[in-house]
Amino acid sequence: QVQLVQSGAEVKKPGASVKVSCKASGYTFTSYGISWVRQAPGQGLEWMGWISAYNGNTNYAQKLQGRVTMTTDTSTSTAYMELRSLRSDDTAVYYCARLVEVGTVAGNSRSYDYWGQGTLVTVSS
Amino acid sequence: QSVLTQPPSVSAAPGQKVTISCSGSSSNIGNNYVSWYQQLPGTAPKLLIYDNNKRPSGIPDRFSGSKSGTSATLGITGLQTGDEADYYCGTWDSSLSAHWVFGGGTKLTVL
Repeated sequence: QVQLVQSGAEVKKPGASVKVSCKASGYTFTSYGISWVRQAPGQGLEWMGWISAYNGNTNYAQKLQGRVTMTTDTSTSTAYMELRSLRSDDTAVYYCARLVEVGTVAGNSRSYDYWGQGTLVTVSS
Repeated sequence: QSVLTQPPSVSAAPGQKVTISCSGSSSNIGNNYVSWYQQLPGTAPKLLIYDNNKRPSGIPDRFSGSKSGTSATLGITGLQTGDEADYYCGTWDSSLSAHWVFGGGTKLTVL
């Protein structure tokens, strides 16, 4: 069965960096993209970006450009999200999610069918 | 402020029906497929509806989705206390900086 298993909780100081991992199993890793979505305490879902596990192409949310880097290691079927220059408002649960993308006559169908369990990142001095 | 607009909360009694709306624009809902996600307290989101109105395997037919123009709707019939959760709509936004967008989320309370 498809599983996305994320690394454990992190506590970081402002200005530091964090790198969260997402290990995939149960499917061909390079056949799907991975997105990262975060959720601040009591808030909604915020899309951070996407990486193609096939060729490493990325698409980042504009507000995070320059601070976020998404990578994959196909040898271990693992996706990574690194966020730099952390601020207190980066405190959130970070999720990885598998992107299903299918071309249809009506356009590309996209949805997130499997999600990791989430990783709490706390930024505090 | 989310690009997709959802009501912050809805409520209904067990056994009743509820609908949750999601309003967008031509750059997102109007020209792309909509999906819906259920987030039970303390858990990761779960795909409920994709391609506007399709249910993944294992999702009961009490959940339905529809889309008209630049709006989408999630319907839940035969409400159960276990349906209490936050619900999010999501879709691709084909504007200059193409990206995914979520609605702000709707808290469903089953009274």
